[in-house]
Amino acid sequence: LAKTTQPISMDSYEGQEVNITCSHNNIATNDYITWYQQFPSQGPRFIIQGYKTKVTNEVASLFIPADRKSSTLSLPRVSLSDTAVYYCLVGFMDSNYQLIWGAGTKLIIKP
Amino acid sequence: EAGVAQSPRYKIIEKRQSVAFWCNPISGHATLYWYQQILGQGPKLLIQFQNNGVVDDSQLPKDRFSAERLKGVDSTLKIQPAKLEDSAVYLCASSLVSTSNYGYTFGSGTRLTVV
Repeated sequence: LAKTTQPISMDSYEGQEVNITCSHNNIATNDYITWYQQFPSQGPRFIIQGYKTKVTNEVASLFIPADRKSSTLSLPRVSLSDTAVYYCLVGFMDSNYQLIWGAGTKLIIKP
Repeated sequence: EAGVAQSPRYKIIEKRQSVAFWCNPISGHATLYWYQQILGQGPKLLIQFQNNGVVDDSQLPKDRFSAERLKGVDSTLKIQPAKLEDSAVYLCASSLVSTSNYGYTFGSGTRLTVV
């Protein structure tokens, strides 16, 4: 099972671009990289998932280098409402695959 | 599309009492998960169902925790008897089988306080 390493916390300001990097040195060939966002008193919410290169959706971009040993979640022009905990997971969402959740990165956006 | 429904939202019980949580997954999602999330930590998987069969319950404290998923839809998680260290948020999530595109969908969780 691939373990991930992320910063415990980060601060930024409204309107800035925020990049959160996750290390996953023992990622397996068929593993996907998935990011979740969690607000207080809510369950985690899926943000984005990718396998290689770059993935972009309406809320974020995910950059994955060729060796796939790390990935970077990019949040463009953050607002106060982006203050949350962000989790990076590596694995395959199949019926017998258990994903390990770390403590995540607590992102605080300041005005 | 309706989300994952959980109830109750909050529960306070005394140690050694029993408690049950209920989860209704997204319609059509064959896989259902129960997670325990202690304050300041990431979610920890307790049990995973595929339809109404258990796929993984290796981290479920079976001496006090039990779970079932009747007819492959709703699920209940029970704790009996509860301990102080069971204070946590219990999250239910569901997913389509064999999808790698959209991950899990979580409910809002049940916050359990054992006093």
